[in-house]
Amino acid sequence: DAKTTQPPSMDCAEGRAANLPCNHSTISGNEYVYWYRQIHSQGPQYIIHGLKNNETNEMASLIITEDRKSSTLILPHATLRDTAVYYCIVRNTGNQFYFGTGTSLTVIP
Amino acid sequence: GAGVSQTPSNKVTEKGKYVELRCDPISGHTALYWYRQSLGQGPEFLIYFQGTGAADDSGLPNDRFFAVRPEGSVSTLKIQRTERGDSAVYLCASSPSGGADTQYFGPGTRLTVL
Repeated sequence: DAKTTQPPSMDCAEGRAANLPCNHSTISGNEYVYWYRQIHSQGPQYIIHGLKNNETNEMASLIITEDRKSSTLILPHATLRDTAVYYCIVRNTGNQFYFGTGTSLTVIP
Repeated sequence: GAGVSQTPSNKVTEKGKYVELRCDPISGHTALYWYRQSLGQGPEFLIYFQGTGAADDSGLPNDRFFAVRPEGSVSTLKIQRTERGDSAVYLCASSPSGGADTQYFGPGTRLTVL
């Protein structure tokens, strides 16, 4: 699976959009981009995933660049409960998720 | 519906002891995964079951670690002769059929080896 690079930490004002970047320059054609988050002392929570097209669900939007070498997770209206570590994962049909160290997002009141 | 559950939520043991950690996957999910998470790190893969069989155990750190899933549902992670370095949160996940399916995680078991 391709490696990902994420900033170690970010802040976002409550009510504003949180944009979390991820670089995955070695991604190959059949590899999906997954996002999970982990709130303190809980298990990772699935957010969204995509292959080529942008995706949106009730939690977030995922924007994947045309060359697929980077992506951005967007939380449209961040709340205090969105404070967590966000993991960007690139995977193929393999069995494992490689989590890396993620981005620690702090939503500020 | 019910998610992945893990018991116990916390386990404190002494160096050299044997421990068992249990995972109940989402009903009907054939794939089950174990991960280990050390402080400040992301989860690291340990082992993957498809049904009753261990399809990939490449992440198990050594032969003190062993996992079973005898009936293709509940799984038990077993650690023999525990060491202080085994202290971590052990996470279990399940997915409908493996492969590129989304994995759904349990809350984890925090293991502390004194």
